[in-house]
Amino acid sequence: EAGVVQSPRYKIIEKKQPVAFWCNPISGHNTLYWYLQNLGQGPELLIRYENEEAVDDSQLPKDRFSAERLKGVDSTLKIQPAELGDSAVYLCASSPGLRDGELFFGEGSRLTVL
Amino acid sequence: RKEVEQDPGPFNVPEGATVAFNCTYSNSASQSFFWYRQDCRKEPKLLMSVYSSGNEDGRFTAQLNRASQYISLLIRDSKLSDSATYLCVLSYSSASKIIFGSGTRLSIRP
Repeated sequence: EAGVVQSPRYKIIEKKQPVAFWCNPISGHNTLYWYLQNLGQGPELLIRYENEEAVDDSQLPKDRFSAERLKGVDSTLKIQPAELGDSAVYLCASSPGLRDGELFFGEGSRLTVL
Repeated sequence: RKEVEQDPGPFNVPEGATVAFNCTYSNSASQSFFWYRQDCRKEPKLLMSVYSSGNEDGRFTAQLNRASQYISLLIRDSKLSDSATYLCVLSYSSASKIIFGSGTRLSIRP
């Protein structure tokens, strides 16, 4: 069974440029998460989807970040414009539900803003 | 105060040693607890759930103390391959939130 797929794995951009990350969750997983992870820190939730509905986006900086999950499957996270402090790893995870709390993570997209 | 707090380490122990680390949480409404493992430059993966009665999986033992609001992870007979960051995770089923700690780095030396 294929795992969570993310792209790109690495992205280097200059500040003020836009960037987008894509995530394909495990088939059948209704819940999708975007996390941000800084070096030496744990993942921090940006947004959680149940199917196509964003049920928790309280930690998403909406002035520059946006996300969508059309048709309740793939998801895209966008940053526009990027700032130096946005350099981090952006992790996508999916789960079939919160019954057992297991999240399946993709390998992440490592963003460097210069 | 952070919802989940962990000693960042690093814990540097010799192969074969027993090592234990704790994680404290501030919200008593937390309902489920987990330990995740994250290798360097890799994604986190579930290591084990933590049950109120304590649970064991091979060399790993997890404990939950609700009265004192902490969970623990014990690793016996540590292997070089146990070197990783161990993330404490809790969830609130009513709010459907999953919170990660900052992780404890463990390094096993030959």
